[in-house]
Amino acid sequence: GAGVSQSPSNKVTEKGKDVELRCDPISGHTALYWYRQSLGQGLEFLIYFQGNSAPDKSGLPSDRFSAERTGGSVSTLTIQRTQQEDSAVYLCASSPRGQGNSPLHFGNGTRLTVT
Amino acid sequence: AQSVAQPEDQVNVAEGNPLTVKCTYSVSGNPYLFWYVQYPNRGLQFLLKYITGDNLVKGSYGFEAEFNKSQTSFHLKKPSALVSDSALYFCAVNTGTASKLTFGTGTRLQVTL
Repeated sequence: GAGVSQSPSNKVTEKGKDVELRCDPISGHTALYWYRQSLGQGLEFLIYFQGNSAPDKSGLPSDRFSAERTGGSVSTLTIQRTQQEDSAVYLCASSPRGQGNSPLHFGNGTRLTVT
Repeated sequence: AQSVAQPEDQVNVAEGNPLTVKCTYSVSGNPYLFWYVQYPNRGLQFLLKYITGDNLVKGSYGFEAEFNKSQTSFHLKKPSALVSDSALYFCAVNTGTASKLTFGTGTRLQVTL
């Protein structure tokens, strides 16, 4: 079956511009996560959606970052007024129920470069 | 707060030799432990997990990991490395009540002929 799909795969933008990154999770998965992967920094948790519950936004690094999940499926991560330090790979993952013992299924990521 | 440490940035192994990638964790309560592998320009792929039960867990591609509660470790092992095992490996921890999986900084495994 189809896995987690992310678009675009690559995005180059100028400093100060806004960008939107899209994630289409595996059908039927109620939990959706966004992580950021920077060189040498491992994976940094950004935000978590579970069903209709309020999202866990505790990892968002600043108020320039926001995310929404429409209809319990597709999610969009928006970065406003991008900065060079936002350059990273943004990974989306989903899991069937968001339980702690369930593995995450990752997309291939969006590589964001801010010039 | 939960955390994971992967003390080695890179591990070099000759093909055919056994490999170990180290991971230690810190968590309140019982841990759920995971290993993921990342190939170039790809997302992370799940390898194996420890939730409860036997301390030795077997996973994909011949990998296994041993949960050691007293040492708070979950080292990844394989008896005989392949060149195709070369990739970036991440250890991660969660608990039954935590909403997010916490990852280590990753260990690059390089297997040479």
